[in-house]
Amino acid sequence: AQRVTQPEKLLSVFKGAPVELKCNYSYSGSPELFWYVQYSRQRLQLLLRHISRESIKGFTADLNKGETSFHLKKPFAQEEDSAMYYCALRLFTGGGNKLTFGTGTQLKVEL
Amino acid sequence: GAVVSQHPSRVICKSGTSVKIECRSLDFQATTMFWYRQFPKQSLMLMATSNEGSKATYEQGVEKDKFLINHASLTLSTLTVTSAHPEDSSFYICSAASGENTGELFFGEGSRLTVL
Repeated sequence: AQRVTQPEKLLSVFKGAPVELKCNYSYSGSPELFWYVQYSRQRLQLLLRHISRESIKGFTADLNKGETSFHLKKPFAQEEDSAMYYCALRLFTGGGNKLTFGTGTQLKVEL
Repeated sequence: GAVVSQHPSRVICKSGTSVKIECRSLDFQATTMFWYRQFPKQSLMLMATSNEGSKATYEQGVEKDKFLINHASLTLSTLTVTSAHPEDSSFYICSAASGENTGELFFGEGSRLTVL
């Protein structure tokens, strides 16, 4: 069965510092990876997907199939980046929109 | 973007009673909705996939007689926690896809259930 691992429950960085939220997955086939974000008192929402290869709010994530990772990165953290971040996986074939989520990482950006 | 609304946001009930939570897609039709359960500081656990006009598909370990799901229209899915017990207290979240097979899900605000 597929699994998504986010090893850090909490990550604290100072404003302006680089951020890397780790995500590893286990699945033998071709997965599709996503990052979802939940800001304080807001609902969960899509941040970015690996297929799009785009930068959203300064965040990027590259799928590394060799390391089975999809780490989320941002060169300079901003205070408004403080939120809960979830990595999610969808099976490429027949997965529909069924996602498997990691346990989440709370990012705290301090001034 | 698409909006999914859940109601109620908070509910407190007595042990043994049943509670219904509604999930509505406000500006799009959703043939499929997903119900999750989230324990404190843990991940979202997929409970079931709600399919419009057919039976829900439950994940392993989820009691279908305990968590009744009805998806009678393209904009509404309901989750009924039957004969609720304190261990059913949790945060329940629904999500829906807008129809495009992109993997993007739109989430409701969540419903906090407390069973006394």
